[in-house]
Amino acid sequence: DQQVKQNSPSLSVQEGRISILNCDYTNSMFDYFLWYKKYPAEGPTFLISISSIKDKNEDGRFTVFLNKSAKHLSLHIVPSQPGDSAVYFCAASASGGGADGLTFGKGTHLIIQP
Amino acid sequence: DTAVSQTPKYLVTQMGNDKSIKCEQNLGHDTMYWYKQDSKKFLKIMFSYNNKELIINETVPNRFSPKSPDKAHLNLHINSLELGDSAVYFCASSQAVAAETQYFGPGTRLLVL
Repeated sequence: DQQVKQNSPSLSVQEGRISILNCDYTNSMFDYFLWYKKYPAEGPTFLISISSIKDKNEDGRFTVFLNKSAKHLSLHIVPSQPGDSAVYFCAASASGGGADGLTFGKGTHLIIQP
Repeated sequence: DTAVSQTPKYLVTQMGNDKSIKCEQNLGHDTMYWYKQDSKKFLKIMFSYNNKELIINETVPNRFSPKSPDKAHLNLHINSLELGDSAVYFCASSQAVAAETQYFGPGTRLLVL
């Protein structure tokens, strides 16, 4: 039972263009969402997060949008750079659910083409 | 300085053996976790540990046991290793049990033959 879904296993984007990574969730108790970036043979690195009281959070080239009614979030990267090539994981938690850990999606492999 | 570190990075062992993976965090965090990333690439929580309170995911076999000598360390012991235990194991930590942002170690790649 996948509570967090990333339906695109991979995405190829040209350098300089916008990358949009999507994530859907089914558990309505989730109220905090995170994006992690992972390079091969390394652990996931925290990128950006958003609380359910917001619908947008921006940090430099990275913006996360949350649509609670659709149970959907997306990560926008603009402009995309070669160093952005990595696997991006969407994760969610429920009310200070640190003790329950984060629920992760399967990841989307983003490839930035020169 | 590495915030969350794990040793060893790679571990190859025979079925039936007992092994340990060590994790240390120098972030001063109160809560630590172990995750397993299986062959299908899903990252799933195994344990969380905060101030000597252990919360176990009920799907984790009791052959797996976390041990915390102090707040900065959470080691993972695995008894009677099975083929299906082959995976990448990630340690993580967060400021407090209610803090959602977790910081991950580099992972330990376990292969059971």
